[in-house]
Amino acid sequence: QVQMQESGPGLVKPSETLSLTCTVSGDSISSTSYYWGWIRQPPGKGPEWIVSIYYNRNNYYNPSLKSRVTTSVDTSKNQFSLKLSSVTAADTAIYFCARPPFGEEHSFEYWGQGILVTVSS
Amino acid sequence: EVVVTQSPATLSVSPGERATLSCRARQIPSKYLAWYQQKRGQAPRLLIYGVSTRATGVPARFSGSQSVTEFTLTISSLQSEDSAVYYCQDYSNWPLLFGQGTKLEIK
Repeated sequence: QVQMQESGPGLVKPSETLSLTCTVSGDSISSTSYYWGWIRQPPGKGPEWIVSIYYNRNNYYNPSLKSRVTTSVDTSKNQFSLKLSSVTAADTAIYFCARPPFGEEHSFEYWGQGILVTVSS
Repeated sequence: EVVVTQSPATLSVSPGERATLSCRARQIPSKYLAWYQQKRGQAPRLLIYGVSTRATGVPARFSGSQSVTEFTLTISSLQSEDSAVYYCQDYSNWPLLFGQGTKLEIK
């Protein structure tokens, strides 16, 4: 059973960097052929895809966020991470990490519970 | 601006009846369309991927299809627990795009 869990600060000040980590259990980030995703959802709105991460291939980024997004993978901890710089109130959202179903690439079957990140001074 | 459009915004259907939700994506035909169900306070739940393949554990009353102009999620014989917001996702190209959602209410 694949499980995913987001972690990080729930409050970030404007202009600072949001940093989140997704810890995966029940699957190995480095041994499976999946793009691992970050998706966010502002309050009352639909989901917005941020980035899809592959541990030893190129990532794919949402062009609207690409200039502010940095990602990393820690295979020893089975984690992948997201950093979003220069945040504003518009970045307030629930942030989810997610994985596709078996044999798929870019839909998302396994999700973390999400973490609410509020940008406020 | 590239968008994925869902209709209607809100749908109210009686238990036992059929609900039909629509999604207009970037290209049709396509193999790369998914549907999600989201209940309040929960992460989205994948229902359908690849236009018509049900995800693991999804009841058979949920089905996906495409016509000449749009994609459709059909929920036959609605149950009270189907009350939720439903999103489609177009993954035919980058960036991956989600629709704005259809809120399904059970009368």
